Amino acid sequence: EVQLVESGGGLVQPGGSLRLSCAASGFTFSSYWMTWVRQAPGKGLEWVASIKQDGSEKYYVDSVKGRFTISRDNAKNSLYLQMNSLRAEDTAVYYCAREGSVWAYWGQGTLVTVSS
Amino acid sequence: EIVMTQSPAALSVSPGERTTLSCRASQSVSSNLAWYQQRPGQAPRLLIYGTSTRATGIPARFSGSGSGTEFTLTISSLQSEDFAVYCCQQYNNWPLTFGGGTKVEIK
Repeated sequence: EVQLVESGGGLVQPGGSLRLSCAASGFTFSSYWMTWVRQAPGKGLEWVASIKQDGSEKYYVDSVKGRFTISRDNAKNSLYLQMNSLRAEDTAVYYCAREGSVWAYWGQGTLVTVSS
Repeated sequence: EIVMTQSPAALSVSPGERTTLSCRASQSVSSNLAWYQQRPGQAPRLLIYGTSTRATGIPARFSGSGSGTEFTLTISSLQSEDFAVYCCQQYNNWPLTFGGGTKVEIK
C-alpha cells in the first residue's frame, strides 16, 4: 500500500525557516517524480514544486523560487521541502504527492502557519 | 502561466441528478487535464486524467470530456458521497496550475 506521511509543519514567525519531510513507503520511491502541493485555509490547491527521480530536475512555482528548495533522499525514501524567508501567504496545508504532474497518491498534509 | 477558470463556483444539486462542471484554460493544454475531488479535511482524490481517463477505482458515473481549452466533468447521478469540491488541473506546461474549484452542495 502506498503511504506518504508528511511532518515538520508548525508555527513560525515571518522571515523564519521550516523543513518539511515526507516519508514514503509501499512503492519504489526512487522510480517516481515527487511533488509538493499546498492549500491555504479556505482556498484552492496550489502546486509548489516537483523533483525528478534522481533530483536532476526541479521545478518551482514563481512565488517560492529562491526561498524554497525541494530535495529527496532515495536511500531514506524521503522527500523534503526547505522553506526559508517564510511569509504570511505561505500559510497552508502542505501535501506531498507521488508523481510529477498528476497525483493519484497524496499524504494527509502538514499545516504550516506563518504568523507573529 | 496557464490560468484555469472553473464555473460555476458553486451549485446545488439533488441526489440522483446529473450535473456538469466546466473548466476553461487560458491557452491550449491539449488533453493534459485532470480532475480532483476534495471532501472537507481530506486530501484531494484523483478522478480523471488525460481529460477522460478515470483513475483506478473511480466509478463510471464520473466522466470527463473536452480538449484544448474547454473541458467538462459530468457526474451522471449524484450520490451522497459526491457532494464535495471539484477542481481541474493542467499539466501541459510548468507551472502546473489548478482551477479555483466548484463546490457541489446538496439541494
